[in-house]
Amino acid sequence: GDQVEQSPSALSLHEGTGSALRCNFTTTMRAVQWFQQNSRGSLINLFYLASGTKENGRLKSTFNSKESYSTLHIRDAQLEDSGTYFCAAEVGEGADRLTFGKGTQLIIQP
Amino acid sequence: GGIITQTPKFLIGQEGQKLTLKCQQNFNHDTMYWYRQDSGKGLRLIYYSITENDLQKGDLSEGYDASREKKSSFSLTVTSAQKNEMAVFLCASSMGLGHSYEQYFGPGTRLTVL
Repeated sequence: GDQVEQSPSALSLHEGTGSALRCNFTTTMRAVQWFQQNSRGSLINLFYLASGTKENGRLKSTFNSKESYSTLHIRDAQLEDSGTYFCAAEVGEGADRLTFGKGTQLIIQP
Repeated sequence: GGIITQTPKFLIGQEGQKLTLKCQQNFNHDTMYWYRQDSGKGLRLIYYSITENDLQKGDLSEGYDASREKKSSFSLTVTSAQKNEMAVFLCASSMGLGHSYEQYFGPGTRLTVL
């Protein structure tokens, strides 16, 4: 199975609301990155976490290495938040490359 | 800050053709990567390079060659384009290799094979 599982695969929110995206890992991981891929296809770095919680504006990410998951919370969603969100991590002991999840497609509706 | 530039932005090729994609970074990063993204899927690693003239195979290296001509540039060659192939190729760089180093991505090259 996949080493990095993202959920949900797709999500629709109304402007002003919020939700959480989740990334589960099937084995050891030491750091996680979250990206937003916008309509032009560019990958934008959102967070890099080796532990704990980081917050940036309306986004907040947490990383729980013991329970092997990470979350990305979006609050007060805006239209420009639409896109595909990917998490990626170095999975497994000695891993030296990122393994990406399949992404969550987020649509923000007016 | 820095920037990663990928050329060309769009690439249209013929079946069997050899195609080269280029990537430049001005972060002064040691490590560079090439990923492939297919529709509805996450990114998969093709090749990476730890330093100038170094080359390491990723999970998807068959059918590709790469070249790290200098620290700031990393090229990827599709050795024989497959008919109806469509994918986005993303270049990335990081200060080093491993979990302590955040990766930064370029805008991508969109490949279509006729």
